Order: sequence, then C-alpha cells, then structure tokens
Amino acid sequence: DAGVTQSPTHLIKTRGQQVTLRCSPISGHKSVSWYQQVLGQGPQFIFQYYEKEERGRGNFPDRFSARQFPNYSSELNVNALLLGDSALYLCASSRDWGDTQYFGPGTRLTVL
Amino acid sequence: DAKTTQPPSMDCAEGRAANLPCNHSTISGNEYVYWYRQIHSQGPQYIIHGLKNNETNEMASLIITEDRKSSTLILPHATLRDTAVYYCIVRVAAGLVNNNAGNMLTFGGGTRLMVKP
Repeated sequence: DAGVTQSPTHLIKTRGQQVTLRCSPISGHKSVSWYQQVLGQGPQFIFQYYEKEERGRGNFPDRFSARQFPNYSSELNVNALLLGDSALYLCASSRDWGDTQYFGPGTRLTVL
Repeated sequence: DAKTTQPPSMDCAEGRAANLPCNHSTISGNEYVYWYRQIHSQGPQYIIHGLKNNETNEMASLIITEDRKSSTLILPHATLRDTAVYYCIVRVAAGLVNNNAGNMLTFGGGTRLMVKP
C-alpha cells in the first residue's frame, strides 16, 4: 500500500509570497495532521483535520491555514512568507481520531 | 501530555543491541508511550507504542517499567541503517483526547543514535 504522499518535494519562495503544500493520506485514513520542522529541532504541530473539520491547532500565526477535502487529502497554506518559515513541512495521516500517525516524506520549503 | 527526557546521543556497534532509554516520570494512566525515528531529512517513521505491557514487533521491542515512569526501546541487532534520531513521545489515549488540544504529537529533542561498524 502507498504511504503518505506530499507535493512538491522541494520549494523555493521569496519573502511575502504565498505557498500551498499538498498531502494525500494513506488509503482509508480519515485524519491528517501537519507539522513544521525547523533545522535542528523536532517537528512542531500545526494543525489536525478529521473528517474535513479542524480538530486541533498549534501555536502558529493566522498566516497558516489548512483544509481537508472530501477525499481526505489536505492542503496547507502559508501567506506572507517570512525567512523563519523555511522548514521541512510534514504531513501525517491516521486511520481514525487518535490512532497512530504515519508521516510522509515532507516538503522542504526555502524562503529567500 | 507528559514530558519525556532522552539522552541527546548514543553510540552502538553494528550487530549489537541498541537500548534507548526514555524517562516520562509524569505520565498519566491514560497515556501511551510512542517511539518514532527520523533518518536524516526524511519524515519520522513509526516504530512501536505501548501502554503498560511490553510490546514487540518486527522492528523493535518496547520495555515499560512497572511504574510506567520510564521505558526502553530495544533494537535487537542494530545495523548502519538504524542510524537516526529516535523520539520518545507520550500521548493521551484516543478516546480521551481533548478536542481543543487536538491529537498532536509533541516531539522533544530525541536521541541521536549512531551505529558504527
């Protein structure tokens, strides 16, 4: 079975721009979570969606938003990019609310 | 969620067992212990989890002390491909997740395991 997939693999943006990252969960998984991992640190929770509804939000500014589609795929949007938004963005899916989360390979975002 | 403490780094000889400790002295009765690992620049990989009984799967064994205040992840025969950062995470059981808090995983610094030839 295919794992969690994310696109694009790498992305380079400039300050002030907007970016959309995409995630497809494992087939049959209804929940998607997003994490940000800055170089040298552990992943930090951004959002969790379950059955297309936001079920949790981490300590991130309103520039960060996300949504989940009827097919359970998800998008993470970041507006007005800052240099500090440069990070590996990770998507994780779980079969149901509270189940084990399985991570994708991540999207490496570089903001210049 | 309870906080975990792990040594920042460990070395292990190839072919030997790697024993990675984790302290979680404030763990609650409804919290699971999860282990993930992250090989350089890849997404974290789920390894194993448990509540109070010892667990074993094809990747590793998880030993949880009787008082549940600490645990050890055991890789029985470490290989060079096991070199990674290993994260120990404590997370509340699914049915008791606070909707406002979400179902997040809280990652600490982890243990950087270096398997040497």
